[in-house]
Amino acid sequence: EAGVVQSPRYKIIEKKQPVAFWCNPISGHNTLYWYLQNLGQGPELLIRYENEEAVDDSQLPKDRFSAERLKGVDSTLKIQPAELGDSAVYLCASSLDFAGEQFFGPGTRLTVL
Amino acid sequence: GENVEQHPSTLSVQEGDSAVIKCTYSDSASNYFPWYKQELGKRPQLIIDIRSNVGEKKDQRIAVTLNKTAKHFSLHITETQPEDSAVYFCAGGFQKLVFGTGTRLLVSP
Repeated sequence: EAGVVQSPRYKIIEKKQPVAFWCNPISGHNTLYWYLQNLGQGPELLIRYENEEAVDDSQLPKDRFSAERLKGVDSTLKIQPAELGDSAVYLCASSLDFAGEQFFGPGTRLTVL
Repeated sequence: GENVEQHPSTLSVQEGDSAVIKCTYSDSASNYFPWYKQELGKRPQLIIDIRSNVGEKKDQRIAVTLNKTAKHFSLHITETQPEDSAVYFCAGGFQKLVFGTGTRLLVSP
């Protein structure tokens, strides 16, 4: 069984540029999460989807961040415009449902110059 | 909301020793407590989890204990090996997981 897939694995951009991250969860997993992980810290939830519905986006900075999961499968997280402080690893995770084990993807390491 | 604190931030042991990592949580509604291992540059991977209706769970050299009254849970690794070296994260929550700040475990041969 394939795990959670994310792309790109690495991204370097200049500040004020837009950037997008893509996630393909494990087949059959209804719940999808986007986390932010700063160096030396634990993952912090940005948004959680149940199928195509965003059920918890309280930690998503909505002035510059947006996310979508149109058909309840793949998801895209976008930042526009990026700031220096956005440099971090963006992790996607999925689970069968909100109470299930979360499986993480390899992450996208974003560097904003 | 939930707040999870984790100690120690670093832990160095000799191969064969035991290692214990402790976490506390604040929200009494939290009912799920997973532990993740993250090697450098890799994804977090679940190593063991416990739900609030259980006080202890073991899987070979790894065990987790939960004290709901005191709102703390601990990870115990026995007979540590160099390949156990990694960063370990605890997490807790009800519908949303909050992660601790991590413990860097170094097992020296």
